[in-house]
Amino acid sequence: SYVLTQPPSVSVAPGKTGSITCGGDNIGTKSVHWYQQKPGQAPLLVIYYDTDRPSGIPERFSGSNSGNTAILTISRVEAGDEADYYCQVWDSSSDHSVFGGGTKLTVL
Amino acid sequence: EVQLLESGGGLIQPGGSLRLSCEASGFTFSSYAMNWVRQAPGKGLEWVSLICGGGGCTSYADSVKGRFTISRDNSKNTLFLQMNSLRAEDTAVYYCAKDLTVGGGDWFDSWGQGTLVTVSS
Repeated sequence: SYVLTQPPSVSVAPGKTGSITCGGDNIGTKSVHWYQQKPGQAPLLVIYYDTDRPSGIPERFSGSNSGNTAILTISRVEAGDEADYYCQVWDSSSDHSVFGGGTKLTVL
Repeated sequence: EVQLLESGGGLIQPGGSLRLSCEASGFTFSSYAMNWVRQAPGKGLEWVSLICGGGGCTSYADSVKGRFTISRDNSKNTLFLQMNSLRAEDTAVYYCAKDLTVGGGDWFDSWGQGTLVTVSS
């Protein structure tokens, strides 16, 4: 089955740029979606189709996807961005949706 | 406004059965695939199952295949998950999540608040 690999944690200072990677075999050929989850809350979609932002998501959130790595980038990080972030793809070979293991973003 | 409200969670003994429900509102329910996603305590998200808008196609994670059954009643705007032969490792918050299209396989643009299932003796 398809596997997505994320770093368990990423730390970034306020106002700086933080990046979270999502690795997978030829992930660049798939559409990658990203979710933010704060403690006690349901996940929230922040990026879809690799690079697109739903309405209401700040422009500070952006995404890219190429080769074996997709990246979620958060610019001008704020304290409120502290959360767990998950990447997700649809694996058409198994007809399964797959999540990465999640990355805890800590704002220093 | 899209709203998804799960119910049916609780404490159940290993080997037991439970049926979760997700009542949907704010959109044309039959026009969208629906998913169940779960999250064990302190762990990450795990996709469980998908059902397409008409109900004629389903898919399951290997961890639940043969034990769980997803279904929907489009006349009542309700999604179900019948869980049989429950194991301790099925303990999790179960979320229902709306897919982008009728066939599924896209992203999840709306989520419920989840219902907790605890499998323990």
